[in-house]
This record gives sequence, C-alpha cells and structure tokens, in this order.
Amino acid sequence: QSVLTQPPSVSGAPGQRVTISCTGSSSNIGAGFNVHWYQQFPGTAPRLLIHGNSFRPSGVPDRFSGSKSGTSASLAITGLQAEDEADYFCQSYDNSLSTWVFGGGTKLTVL
Amino acid sequence: QLQLQESGPGLVKPSETLSLTCTVSGGSISSTTYSWGWIRQPPGKGLECIGTIYYRGSTYYNPSLKSRVTISVDTSKTQFSLNLSSVTAADTAVYYCVRLFRPGNYMDVWGKGTTVTVSS
Repeated sequence: QSVLTQPPSVSGAPGQRVTISCTGSSSNIGAGFNVHWYQQFPGTAPRLLIHGNSFRPSGVPDRFSGSKSGTSASLAITGLQAEDEADYFCQSYDNSLSTWVFGGGTKLTVL
Repeated sequence: QLQLQESGPGLVKPSETLSLTCTVSGGSISSTTYSWGWIRQPPGKGLECIGTIYYRGSTYYNPSLKSRVTISVDTSKTQFSLNLSSVTAADTAVYYCVRLFRPGNYMDVWGKGTTVTVSS
C-alpha cells in the first residue's frame, strides 16, 4: 500500500477536463513538502510532468496543471487528448519514513 | 542533453546480489545541484525509491532496504552503481536510475529502465 493515495483509474472524453487526486498525511504533503507528478506510458520510464506542486518543465503543455492544499494535491488535465492516456504518479517526501514516497498511480483512460 | 543508461544482468538467483550500473552521458555527474539514485517498479505496481548518492560519496538509503543496499559512484567513469544483496522474488522489478534535483526533491531525468528477475 502506497504512502500517497491516488484513485486507481480515471477517465474522460476528448476535450474534457479530468483531475487526479493525491492524498497524503501530516508527515509528507501536510508537513509542507512539495508534490511532483510523473507521466508514464506503457513500457517506458516515467517523465517529470509537474514539479514544486504547480510548475511545468519545458515542453509540458499548459493543459497540465497542479495544485496543493493541506494534505492533498491534484493534477488537472484540460482539453483531454488521446495521447494523454497513461499512468500518472504523484511524489513527495515523508519525514517520518525518511524517504521519497510515491502514490500508487492512476491510469487515465481517454474514452 | 543528459542521458542515463542502466546496465547489468537481467536474471539473478535468490539469495545472490543484484548489481546494476548507470552511465551518465551528456552532462556532469559532479554537480552540487543533483544527486543520483535508483527507483524500482515491481510488475504492475508503483514506484519505490531505493536510495541516492551525491558525487562526493554521501549516500541515502530507503530505511526499508538499508540493510541490503549499497550505492557507489565513480566520477572518473561518470557512473554510479547499485548493489542489492540477499535478493528474493520480491525484488523482481524494473530498476530505473534517476537524477534527483536536490533543492526540489524531485527526479528530473530518468533512465529507460532495466528489468531484473529474481529466479533460480
């Protein structure tokens, strides 16, 4: 069981907006540690999608956005496209476990 | 553009030591801004941080694996390595080497990953 909790799956039609939640606790997200998001296509390595809660690396479309509040964070994808179909993982740091922690991942299906 | 490439055996016997190397190309391994680490992903499961190393040699290991893990760095070869001892089937996974942006605590560059299966 992952330290950060994500829904196993979400889905949406092309053009729609979807959000993926990432719920932590007082020892990670709630302790003020930033949340980062990664996108992973089948058979490939994860790639950094969002860092520092809401910052996009160069090359990431502005359809992707992140936010954080309290012990949770969210990834929003607007104008959903078929190419967005992938697994998405959140990541933070946990000062109780003294390690970087990940969510279990959310599979996004574009209907 | 910096690239990471994992190498090592794809099959390891139970109780033996898993050894992987990551070669860094297109950039410096001797940076004060970054650490270098290993992440693994068991089949169909999520991601787990194994540990990291700074170019000067200081290490961090996930407490759940600490007793079995050693990470080392060879700056002359721009490589860093992972040794995981006493492996079991639970250590079967895709192993990724990563670059960790230290101020932000996130992994900004990933290798393509290498599959390691523990089986007799």
